[in-house]
Amino acid sequence: GQQVMQIPQYQHVQEGEDFTTYCNSSTTLSNIQWYKQRPGGHPVFLIQLVKSGEVKKQKRLTFQFGEAKKNSSLHITATQTTDVGTYFCAGRNTDKLIFGTGTRLQVFP
Amino acid sequence: DAGITQSPRHKVTETGTPVTLRCHQTENHRYMYWYRQDPGHGLRLIHYSYGVKDTDKGEVSDGYSVSRSKTEDFLLTLESATSSQTSVYFCAISESTSLLNYGYTFGSGTRLTVV
Repeated sequence: GQQVMQIPQYQHVQEGEDFTTYCNSSTTLSNIQWYKQRPGGHPVFLIQLVKSGEVKKQKRLTFQFGEAKKNSSLHITATQTTDVGTYFCAGRNTDKLIFGTGTRLQVFP
Repeated sequence: DAGITQSPRHKVTETGTPVTLRCHQTENHRYMYWYRQDPGHGLRLIHYSYGVKDTDKGEVSDGYSVSRSKTEDFLLTLESATSSQTSVYFCAISESTSLLNYGYTFGSGTRLTVV
């Protein structure tokens, strides 16, 4: 079945450093979504990418969809303590989203 | 998020007992989903619904059943709870159609412990 892998599993950074998480699918995706889950909270939708090679920005967050539509990345510039949480990608190739295993980000002040 | 609630928020139950979790939405979204979240596994789809009385299995459906008799309610039943079903359960809703996909809105989750 379809699998979506994310790396790294954990990332600890000093506040102000950059952070990147990578998402890879075993199959071609029709679109990919990104979610953030704060500790003790529930996943919250951030963005959806649909087009091959698409790049979208939300303030300090940059999202990219690969040319082959099998991988994606989320880059955070100059992390802040409010960025703490787990970031999930979720890929769709039929009528279901398959979530990646997530990257837990810890930011030290 | 407003528009989706899960109940109960926490539950402890004994092995072998049936358990029902409820998801209620006020958004009139067509799609509803049940996920479980476990360390190292992320979010795994249990069952989903694409309309009243229309449901389908996800990747980890064994030991679970669902029902959707009204647009607003999606029930998840553990027929005979086992310790491996100790998890955090999230319900999600979406207004996606076959042509357009939108982000999911998740409920606050139910923490279930099977002892």
